[in-house]
Amino acid sequence: SQQGEEDPQALSIQEGENATMNCSYKTSINNLQWYRQNSGRGLVHLILIRSNEREKHSGRLRVTLDTSKKSSSLLITASRAADTASYFCATDGLIYFGRGTQLTVWP
Amino acid sequence: DTGVSQDPRHKITKRGQNVTFRCDPISEHNRLYWYRQTLGQGPEFLTYFQNEAQLEKSRLLSDRFSAERPKGSFSTLEIQRTEQGDSAMYLCASSLSGGSDTQYFGPGTRLTVL
Repeated sequence: SQQGEEDPQALSIQEGENATMNCSYKTSINNLQWYRQNSGRGLVHLILIRSNEREKHSGRLRVTLDTSKKSSSLLITASRAADTASYFCATDGLIYFGRGTQLTVWP
Repeated sequence: DTGVSQDPRHKITKRGQNVTFRCDPISEHNRLYWYRQTLGQGPEFLTYFQNEAQLEKSRLLSDRFSAERPKGSFSTLEIQRTEQGDSAMYLCASSLSGGSDTQYFGPGTRLTVL
């Protein structure tokens, strides 16, 4: 099992700005996934990137993966107040999560 | 709605009582996971099943905790002799082995031990 660690722990921005959060992990992976969790709710899968991919887009989300640095980033463009949530990364097996990045988007 | 349901959504109990939670995964998913999450923390892995077999258990799963998945479909998580430290959100997730490892989470059961 592997662990992802998110950075920063908290991020506060205005609506319309872009939000970038990072994830680091320790060993080789087959894929990396990002999840979102609204306060008091379950986690929702956002996007998966495979180890042979470097970048992936889904709507306003852009994920990059650098396997040489064992890191990934999640970019949310043109953020909205509804994007306010905690964001987690997880690698193969998905058993261990970090503390997440708490994103707050102010209207 | 991910298709994973949990019951109850909220449970308030007194210290020392036993509680049982239920999780119904997506029907074709053979893997089922239980996590515990406290405020400001990420989900902590408790245990997981592949079909009816419990394949891994965390050290967090003390003797007071037991999980079952008798027919490889729904699962129950029981906590005996609850303690105030058991107060947390208990999350269930399911996935399909051989796929992308994407887990689909239920809404969670919020446990408050008074």
